[in-house]
Amino acid sequence: DAGVIQSPRHEVTEMGQEVTLRCKPISGHDYLFWYRQTMMRGLELLIYFNNNVPIDDSGMPEDRFSAKMPNASFSTLKIQPSEPRDSAVYFCASSGTSGYNEQFFGPGTRLTVL
Amino acid sequence: KQEVTQIPAALSVPEGENLVLNCSFTDSAIYNLQWFRQDPGKGLTSLLLIQSSQREQTSGRLNASLDKSSGRSTLYIAASQPGDSATYLCALKPPSNTGKLIFGQGTTLQVKP
Repeated sequence: DAGVIQSPRHEVTEMGQEVTLRCKPISGHDYLFWYRQTMMRGLELLIYFNNNVPIDDSGMPEDRFSAKMPNASFSTLKIQPSEPRDSAVYFCASSGTSGYNEQFFGPGTRLTVL
Repeated sequence: KQEVTQIPAALSVPEGENLVLNCSFTDSAIYNLQWFRQDPGKGLTSLLLIQSSQREQTSGRLNASLDKSSGRSTLYIAASQPGDSATYLCALKPPSNTGKLIFGQGTTLQVKP
């Protein structure tokens, strides 16, 4: 298996622009997680899905952030409009109930908002 | 509320030394605990997962232990190497029917040649 795949790996954009981050979980995993990591706040859970359904979005910072999972093999995290304080590394992770919920992380997307 | 703490935040040791990384948690009711490694600019790599019913797990030079009664897990690294330099994070899964993990802030390890 190729592991969790994220794209793009790096994104540089200007304030006010829309940003879309993409994730392909490990095949067969039924949980998908979006995290954000910064030096100041560490690793924060933004939202997670179970069987393509959003279960807990309490970590989403504000309405500018939205996430979707249209099918079991694809998810997006969208920021519109983006702000400089959104600059961070965004990780996607997946897990399956058959593996004691062991989470596997993607390589991350480094977002810089100018 | 469950909290996970990793102390110290940073650790520097000479090559070849055996070392222990600490992870403490406030609520002994957990489903499992997972140790991750993160290299600079990279994602998290799962190292070991310990189920609530287990006391330890081993993989190569790594040994993770779990003591729920004291709210503590340790990651033991034997014969440390410069390639072990990274940030190590522990994360636990509560016994609720969710997939959420609660992460510690991590310990950044530097192994000097």
